[in-house]
Amino acid sequence: AQSVTQLDSQVPVFEEAPVELRCNYSSSVSVYLFWYVQYPNQGLQLLLKYLSGSTLVKGINGFEAEFNKSQTSFHLRKPSVHISDTAEYFCAVSPILTGGGNKLTFGTGTQLKVEL
Amino acid sequence: KAGVTQTPRYLIKTRGQQVTLSCSPISGHRSVSWYQQTPGQGLQFLFEYFSETQRNKGNFPGRFSGRQFSNSRSEMNVSTLELGDSALYLCASSHEGYYEQYFGPGTRLTVT
Repeated sequence: AQSVTQLDSQVPVFEEAPVELRCNYSSSVSVYLFWYVQYPNQGLQLLLKYLSGSTLVKGINGFEAEFNKSQTSFHLRKPSVHISDTAEYFCAVSPILTGGGNKLTFGTGTQLKVEL
Repeated sequence: KAGVTQTPRYLIKTRGQQVTLSCSPISGHRSVSWYQQTPGQGLQFLFEYFSETQRNKGNFPGRFSGRQFSNSRSEMNVSTLELGDSALYLCASSHEGYYEQYFGPGTRLTVT
């Protein structure tokens, strides 16, 4: 089984400041890792993913994340946030299934609020 | 390419009724997954369909079922609705062999 922990339920930050949203996971099997963003009354949009290779992955809208296998973490960062980044962010893992397919386990989400 | 579409967007049902939600995946995507989002339980995986067969399943009671058609469109059905089934139901599609999923806008189900 997999579990995902997002320690911060809310993160307030001023516009143009840097931000880090934390994500830790546990799994008995290898997993792929994802960050999704959800704007009010909308579905989820994929920000970035880690499947293999370089542990620093870049995504859309200037976001990046670093996979740390020893700490089982996948923290999301942005060097300078914009008011439009205000949204809820979800970290998720998907086990590498022998039968193939997808089965995402999500964290509880972090509400990022960007203030002027 | 058109994104994942879900119909209807909003639905109000009465306890004890049943409901069917529909999802059309991105063209070329043959895997369709369903998730339930509630304030209390967060985002939870329901099931995944691929080539008209349920490939993976979450931990939901048998009242939740789904199916997939030959054109990859999928439906999920909830029978004997309970108040706790009120949620945003999200559908996601992916290309076989690729692990990123693309989500639709969801269907907001309210059970009264």
